[in-house]
Amino acid sequence: NAGVTQTPKFRVLKTGQSMTLLCAQDMNHEYMYWYRQDPGMGLRLIHYSVGEGTTAKGEVPDGYNVSKKKKQNFLLGLESAAPSQTSVYFCASKNGGSDKTQYFGPGTRLLVL
Amino acid sequence: GQQLNQSPQSMFIQEGEDVSMNCTSSSIFNTWLWYKQDPGEGPVLLIALYKAGELTSNGRLTAQFGITRKDSFLNISASIPSDVGIYFCAGQLKNSGGSNYKLTFGKGTLLTVNP
Repeated sequence: NAGVTQTPKFRVLKTGQSMTLLCAQDMNHEYMYWYRQDPGMGLRLIHYSVGEGTTAKGEVPDGYNVSKKKKQNFLLGLESAAPSQTSVYFCASKNGGSDKTQYFGPGTRLLVL
Repeated sequence: GQQLNQSPQSMFIQEGEDVSMNCTSSSIFNTWLWYKQDPGEGPVLLIALYKAGELTSNGRLTAQFGITRKDSFLNISASIPSDVGIYFCAGQLKNSGGSNYKLTFGKGTLLTVNP
């Protein structure tokens, strides 16, 4: 199993450009999450999904949208990138049982100029 | 949102020393998790704690779920250079309003080990 994978690994955008980050998991997990990590801020939840087609806002959702059309994929979109969205983005997934563990992908490093 | 206070923010130690870090909150947690993040990688689970007072070891790592359910600590014994990284605590709130699938993360402890 590959676990949680993310593409791309690194991207540079200009202000105003759009892009989509892809997260995929092969563990048949029900829940998926998008976080951003900034220096001194820890991991902050952007959006999450509690099932196919169901998404919800996290702590810092503004400027982002998500799509969950398949169980194994969770897309994070930036419609109009801003320099404040320069960050490292992590996807995570969790199964639907009592296990609270979230499994993380390797991250996508985004620089918005 | 709810906050976890993780301390220290950073540590610089000599190889062989023991390390201790902790997380505290004013809220009660059902679950405590400890993750490690290597440079350039995603966080990886080290230890999961599910009961108040629970003490669990994973090799040189030991973590405890505080009796009050508001804190947890992680100890690393006889540190080695590969222990370098950021350690995060994460917890699930007791009264999470049905959101039993969200975790609250501490801001991390950056550990540097000098060979």
